Parts: sequence; C-alpha cells; structure tokens
Amino acid sequence: QVQLQESGPGLVKPSQTLSLTCTVSGDSVESSFASDASHWTWIRQSAGRGLEWMGHVKNTKTALYNPSLKGRIFISLDISKRQFSLRLTSVTAADTAIYFCARKSSSLLTRGWFDPWGQGTLVTVSS
Amino acid sequence: QSVLTQPPSVSAAPGQKVTISCSGANQNIGNNLVNWYQQLPGTAPTLLIYDNDRRPSGIPDRFSGSKSGTSATLDITGLQTGDEADFYCGTWDSSVDAWVFGGGTTLTVL
Repeated sequence: QVQLQESGPGLVKPSQTLSLTCTVSGDSVESSFASDASHWTWIRQSAGRGLEWMGHVKNTKTALYNPSLKGRIFISLDISKRQFSLRLTSVTAADTAIYFCARKSSSLLTRGWFDPWGQGTLVTVSS
Repeated sequence: QSVLTQPPSVSAAPGQKVTISCSGANQNIGNNLVNWYQQLPGTAPTLLIYDNDRRPSGIPDRFSGSKSGTSATLDITGLQTGDEADFYCGTWDSSVDAWVFGGGTTLTVL
C-alpha cells in the first residue's frame, strides 16, 4: 500500500502561482510508479464547489486536466523523487480550497477509483 | 452546483438503515461506473464502494452500493454513531471530460 502526503505554502497572493507537491511513500511505490494503472491525481475541496477533480499525470508523464481550469494548471511527475506536483497560475480567492493528492487505480481514463488520498492541505488565496 | 445530485443530509437512529441517492445523467452515471467515498469529520475522503457495488477490503458489508440507469444508491445498515460522516458519489462524465462528484450527503446518526 502507498501513502500520499501534500506539502506547500498555505497562503498565496491573488494573481500568483499556487505550487504543491505530493510525496508518495510505502512498500509498493516502485511498482505503482512503473504501472500505467496509476494516475497521480489532484482533487480540491471548497465550500463553494465541493469536490473538484483537477487533473492527473501518468507514469509516461502525460497529463489530463479538467477543462474548467482553462489552461491554468500543470501537473508534473518526478519518479526519482517519488513526487508529483501541481501548479495553478493566476489564482483568485475562488481557488481557496483544501487540496488533496490521490491515486486513481486504472489504466483506463474513464474507469477506476481514487484510493488512497493524502490528508489534504489548505491553501488560502489572499493578499 | 454539482453534476451529480445528492440529498444534503440524511439521518436515522442507531441500528437502522439509511439510503443515500446519487442522481445523474446518461453521460455520467448512465454509462460509467460509480464510486462512493466517506469523509469523516476533519479527514480526507476514503474509498467506500467502487465499480458500483464492490467493497474494498476492510469495508464492512453494512455498506452496499447499487446502480440503476442514471442513478446510484448507497445503503448503510446497522447504523453506528461512528458512521457519521459526509458521503460523496463520483464517476466520469463524458460531456465535460472530467471526473465529477456529487455535492455530498451528511449522515447524522441520532
């Protein structure tokens, strides 16, 4: 089983870039990163929008993003560090949320489930 | 406004049964598998039911899921106070090309 842990600044100023990292640990990390059945995912939760899938990156380093984020998002993968990262540009107060990293288990885009999840990190956008 | 519709809250007494509904459309629930997540207060969501009706190891059989057409249902029997949590359904939506979730249902065990 793998464990995920988010890290990054808890406060970001409006119009700046939000950057978070998710560190993956546990017994099966190597096999998880080697498998195309692991989609490394970012999900956020806010009072206004509930749970929102933001996007994922695969072991091939190809990513898929929620169209609602309109080109502001970039997710990258660093297998050597056992990490994947989120960048969200031009943030506003509407981006204030708890950000979770998670693994989706399936090689198919439209199949699978999110498990496990990191504990989440609160990011506030404010000047 | 979430793509999938859940009741905001449900409640029942300990030992009783509760049903949480998740309503969608052909482009999401109608043509894809549904997952359910449980979020205990102050914690991250955890997987409760996957592929409509399958339980991960460690999830008691008091929790069960089903799907019919464009709706899914989570049943919880033998309610315990420790079951109090928010529950979310989720699936892929081909009209928005994204994973979508319900707005969540808060379970209160009276």
